[in-house]
Amino acid sequence: NAGVTQTPKFQVLKTGQSMTLQCAQDMNHNSMYWYRQDPGMGLRLIYYSASEGTTDKGEVPNGYNVSRLNKREFSLRLESAAPSQTSVYFCASRQSSYNEQFFGPGTRLTVL
Amino acid sequence: QKEVEQNSGPLSVPEGAIASLNCTYSDRVSQSFFWYRQYSGKSPELIMSIYSNGDKEDGRFTAQLNKASQYVSLLIRDSQPSDSATYLCAFSPPAGGTSYGKLTFGQGTILTVHP
Repeated sequence: NAGVTQTPKFQVLKTGQSMTLQCAQDMNHNSMYWYRQDPGMGLRLIYYSASEGTTDKGEVPNGYNVSRLNKREFSLRLESAAPSQTSVYFCASRQSSYNEQFFGPGTRLTVL
Repeated sequence: QKEVEQNSGPLSVPEGAIASLNCTYSDRVSQSFFWYRQYSGKSPELIMSIYSNGDKEDGRFTAQLNKASQYVSLLIRDSQPSDSATYLCAFSPPAGGTSYGKLTFGQGTILTVHP
């Protein structure tokens, strides 16, 4: 099992460009999450999907959109990147029976 | 008041000592508690989960939960240089609510174990 995978690992964008961060899990988990991690701010929830077909906003959703493509995949889209979105983005997944979340390796995004 | 407060770090301990990491939380209905370890440049890795009051031991790690005091701690016995990392505590509310499954994280405590 690969667990949770994310692509790309690194990305540099110019202000105003768009991109999609991909996340997939092979653990048959129902719930998936997108976080950003910034120095001094900890991990903050952007969006989550409790189950296939549902998505909900987290703590910091502005400037982002998500798609739960199927049970395995959950993507995060930046429509018009801003320097404030420079961060490390982590995807996580959770099995329904437990609250334990398992994280992917992360995407380090820089917006110039 | 912040939802989760962790030891202000960084914390430095000699090899072989016990490292003690602490976390307090403000939400009295929280049910599930977790400790994650994060090496520099890597993703958070779940090392302990605890759901009921008392101690839970796993190898050199012991998690302690006191819901009445809204306090959870992590003890690392026989600390090794490989334990040097940032430790994040997190909690989740009980099942049934709209927030179920969502984790709230602390800021993290940097631990350095020196030889």
